[in-house]
Amino acid sequence: EVQLVESGGALVQPGGSLRLSCAASGITFSTYWMSWVRQAPGKGLEWVGRIKQDGSEKYYADSVKGRFTISRDNAKNLLYLQMNSLRAEDTAVYYCASGGWNLEWWGQGTLVTVSS
Amino acid sequence: DVVMTQTPLSSPVTLGQPASISCRSSQSLVHSNGNTYLSWLQQRPGQPPRLLIYQISNRFSGVPDRFSGSGAGTDFTLKISRVEAEDVGVYYCMQATQFPTFGQGTKLEIK
Repeated sequence: EVQLVESGGALVQPGGSLRLSCAASGITFSTYWMSWVRQAPGKGLEWVGRIKQDGSEKYYADSVKGRFTISRDNAKNLLYLQMNSLRAEDTAVYYCASGGWNLEWWGQGTLVTVSS
Repeated sequence: DVVMTQTPLSSPVTLGQPASISCRSSQSLVHSNGNTYLSWLQQRPGQPPRLLIYQISNRFSGVPDRFSGSGAGTDFTLKISRVEAEDVGVYYCMQATQFPTFGQGTKLEIK
């Protein structure tokens, strides 16, 4: 059974930082592009970015470029999202998903709230 | 950015009846490699999204065959042949030919 489990969501002040993790099991993690997608409360889905299997290529949405960084540890089957300079509009549930073009498996998500 | 426009935004359907959702992209979704990266996702209430259909018409693992996808270029359709109670939720189209973008979502509800 494929499982993607996000963690690290929290309440953080504007301008603060947070690192999210996504633990993968049931897939050969090192063979998958991985993606982050977010969903603001009551809103639709927004792609955040993706990372190649070996971490050599990373792509980001304009809304997070320069503030967010995606990384991975294939030895530990972990995906990360480092979020800096957080803004109120970054408040959302953050999902990790396997794949870069076909987002096959999704985690349950972790809530990030940016508020003072 | 590629803009994805779904219609309708809300779809009340009678159990056992068919349902159809349309999705139009602001530009062709044919990738330079010949593939068309148009997917359909289902999000049940309180749940994460789930992949139903990828590359226009391929059902993902475990997806019932009452779900089907069709289309080409800029116009795509998701059809449910006979709606069941568990199909209630929001359906999104997503393109990944360029950096991924999603439609606004279509809320499927039972009449």
